[in-house]
Amino acid sequence: ETGVTQTPRHLVMGMTNKKSLKCEQHLGHNAMYWYKQSAKKPLELMFVYSLEERVENNSVPSRFSPECPNSSHLFLHLHTLQPEDSALYLCASSQSRDGELFFGEGSRLTVL
Amino acid sequence: GESVGLHLPTLSVQEGDNSIINCAYSNSASDYFIWYKQESGKGPQFIIDIRSNMDKRQGQRVTVLLNKTVKHLSLQIAATQPGDSAVYFCAENPPSYNTDKLIFGTGTRLQVFP
Repeated sequence: ETGVTQTPRHLVMGMTNKKSLKCEQHLGHNAMYWYKQSAKKPLELMFVYSLEERVENNSVPSRFSPECPNSSHLFLHLHTLQPEDSALYLCASSQSRDGELFFGEGSRLTVL
Repeated sequence: GESVGLHLPTLSVQEGDNSIINCAYSNSASDYFIWYKQESGKGPQFIIDIRSNMDKRQGQRVTVLLNKTVKHLSLQIAATQPGDSAVYFCAENPPSYNTDKLIFGTGTRLQVFP
């Protein structure tokens, strides 16, 4: 059983839709992350939150908008995505920014 | 740019044999390395790590070897089992000590046949 839960596990959306991915960690960690995993590519860091403050934004397009209302929850709001945004989006948490990463099972996103 | 690569995209082994998965890294200053296992439909899971002041570290059925001279990392799995079937990828951490600076490899798929 994972301490990091992501919903939905699968999402299909059109380019004009607005949807959100949710992540919840039950580990008492202080840092949370969004990663993008595309086929045959390394994991790409998108956003980092530490103590609910965004500390990293790796030149991610504005059609991806993160939100961290508290240290246990992380959202990724999606708006007017492109087909190339189709990927597995992984949430992770760590005790601190130099701690071991614990990943969720991911949300498989397909943009039509 | 910096990258972490793998020698083989797919490795097929027979159950009971030993598996060796390789990884090359490019930043000679990286001082911390991690191996992850990702099963189908699941997120990556930490397997074992090693710091640059070591050249070998053993876990349960797994061993990581670090060769800093040639910037090479390997994961050895002893007596490979069907449950070991997954994608394995390495990650290097440049000397910033923040987990968000990890550089990940693309992964090797390990297939275990009975």
